[in-house]
Amino acid sequence: NAGVTQTPKFRVLKTGQSMTLLCAQDMNHEYMYWYRQDPGMGLRLIHYSVGEGTTAKGEVPDGYNVSRLKKQNFLLGLESAAPSQTSVYFCASTRPTSGGYNEQFFGPGTRLTVL
Amino acid sequence: KNQVEQSPQSLIILEGKNCTLQCNYTVSPFSNLRWYKQDTGRGPVSLTIMTFSENTKSNGRYTATLDADTKQSSLHITASQLSDSASYICVVNQAGTALIFGKGTTLSVSS
Repeated sequence: NAGVTQTPKFRVLKTGQSMTLLCAQDMNHEYMYWYRQDPGMGLRLIHYSVGEGTTAKGEVPDGYNVSRLKKQNFLLGLESAAPSQTSVYFCASTRPTSGGYNEQFFGPGTRLTVL
Repeated sequence: KNQVEQSPQSLIILEGKNCTLQCNYTVSPFSNLRWYKQDTGRGPVSLTIMTFSENTKSNGRYTATLDADTKQSSLHITASQLSDSASYICVVNQAGTALIFGKGTTLSVSS
């Protein structure tokens, strides 16, 4: 099993450009998440999905869009990149359990720089 | 406000020594508390998950404790190794939905 994979690993964008980050998991997990990690801050949830075809906003959704067309994939899009979106982006997945006692498995991250 | 505070911010220890990392939280309602290890340039990896009824949980040389009354947790690392150099993140699950992440403690183990 590859677990959670993310594409690309690194990317540099100019302000105003668009891009899509791809997350894929092979564990048949229902739930998938996109986080961003900035220096001196904890991970913050951008968007999440509880199943194919469903998405929801997290703590910091502005400037991002997501899609979950297939159960195994979760895409994060930046329509018009801004320097404030320079960050490391992590995808995670999990299967739901009672009481929220569910381990999240994280991908290796995508380091994005917006100039 | 739901917060997870970790201390110290960073720590340097000699290989073979023990250390303890602290986590205080104000998240409510509480579901469970997790400790993650994040190596540089990698994603976080789960070490332990504890509910309010669990006081101690071990994973090899890592032992986590939880005091749900005082809303405090600690992660004790025994006989540290160079490979333990990483960021350790305390995460509290709020009511089984949102995860509130601490900023992490950066541990450096030197030989």
